[in-house]
Amino acid sequence: GEDVEQSLFLSVREGDSSVINCTYTDSSSTYLYWYKQEPGAGLQLLTYIFSNMDMKQDQRLTVLLNKKDKHLSLRIADTQTGDSAIYFCADSFGSSNTGKLIFGQGTTLQVKP
Amino acid sequence: DGGITQSPKYLFRKEGQNVTLSCEQNLNHDAMYWYRQDPGQGLRLIYYSQIVNDFQKGDIAEGYSVSREKKESFPLTVTSAQKNPTAFYLCATGAGRADTQYFGPGTRLTVL
Repeated sequence: GEDVEQSLFLSVREGDSSVINCTYTDSSSTYLYWYKQEPGAGLQLLTYIFSNMDMKQDQRLTVLLNKKDKHLSLRIADTQTGDSAIYFCADSFGSSNTGKLIFGQGTTLQVKP
Repeated sequence: DGGITQSPKYLFRKEGQNVTLSCEQNLNHDAMYWYRQDPGQGLRLIYYSQIVNDFQKGDIAEGYSVSREKKESFPLTVTSAQKNPTAFYLCATGAGRADTQYFGPGTRLTVL
């Protein structure tokens, strides 16, 4: 079946850039999403990219999409301690038109002061 | 999460009891979803509904039931048939098909 994979942990220093990576298998994806989850909370939508785009920038966030390699990345510039959270990549699973999302396992971002 | 409420935030249940988790939304979204989150496993889809009075099983529907009698509400019942119900449960809404999903704050269920 369709799958989304992420590395589980990333540690950076405050002020550095963070790059969180994701790979997916669905060749008919329409949208790909990044969500942020703080401890004990629900998921907050950070950004999304349409499958015909290569890049999307939104303030400190840059999303890069390589459709050939089915690779998605989220770059956070000038990472702050408040960015410490779990980040989920999700695939819209576009082939089924059900609105279902397939989530990766989540990457825990640790930001050290 | 604004516009999506889940209650209660924490829920404790004894083995063998059914329990119902509430999800209400005022976003006027057609689609609603229930996910289960376990540590290190991401989110897994339990049930979803794209329209009132209709719902479909997700990947892990066994031991759960839902109803969708109103557009605003999508309650999830965790039955005694669910063997390992302790988890964090998240409700989401969407405008249908491949549109963005928005999440509620979650309910943490613990079976004692």
